[in-house]
Amino acid sequence: GQNIDQPTEMTATEGAIVQINCTYQTSGFNGLFWYQQHAGEAPTFLSYNVLDGLEEKGRFSSFLSRSKGYSYLLLKELQMKDSASYLCAVMDSNYQLIWGAGTKLIIKP
Amino acid sequence: DVKVTQSSRYLVKRTGEKVFLECVQDMDHENMFWYRQDPGLGLRLIYFSYDVKMKEKGDIPEGYSVSREKKERFSLILESASTNQTSMYLCASSPTVAGANVLTFGAGSRLTVL
Repeated sequence: GQNIDQPTEMTATEGAIVQINCTYQTSGFNGLFWYQQHAGEAPTFLSYNVLDGLEEKGRFSSFLSRSKGYSYLLLKELQMKDSASYLCAVMDSNYQLIWGAGTKLIIKP
Repeated sequence: DVKVTQSSRYLVKRTGEKVFLECVQDMDHENMFWYRQDPGLGLRLIYFSYDVKMKEKGDIPEGYSVSREKKERFSLILESASTNQTSMYLCASSPTVAGANVLTFGAGSRLTVL
């Protein structure tokens, strides 16, 4: 079966760096997405990786290793507003998205 | 500001009632989706549509139907609501482009079935 694994919850300190991991086993691969979802709000797109390597976008970076079935989202200089759930999703060979359950990130002052 | 609008943020219905959840997007997107989101689970696709009057079953279509009469509107219908359909329902849309098919989501409709 297809599976996306990510930690349920993480805690970090304001101003620090946190890495949220995502491992996947899917039928084929056509890209990996990260979305941010604040409580009670819509998920919003953060990043897309289809080739191996690191994609940097301001304080957020996303890394992909297709051979290892692994990605991470790196958040630097954490701010209180980064408290949210982070959803990892993989597009399989049929171009369907398979979603992880999300990682709830708690930022403490 | 482009967006996806879901008609109801919160609904409470009784078992057996018919429920309509409406979704409208103003981005001229071809593709529209209905997901449900439950604690501890990833988003699960109920139905999607890639064109007007077209619909495809997702992973959990049982107990649901959809309607897409106009490009901008995608409705989810629960013919006879049951308690196990209590959930957050998210509508999303995306353009048909090569490469990253980024979804734009609505704010969600939280349905409670008593």
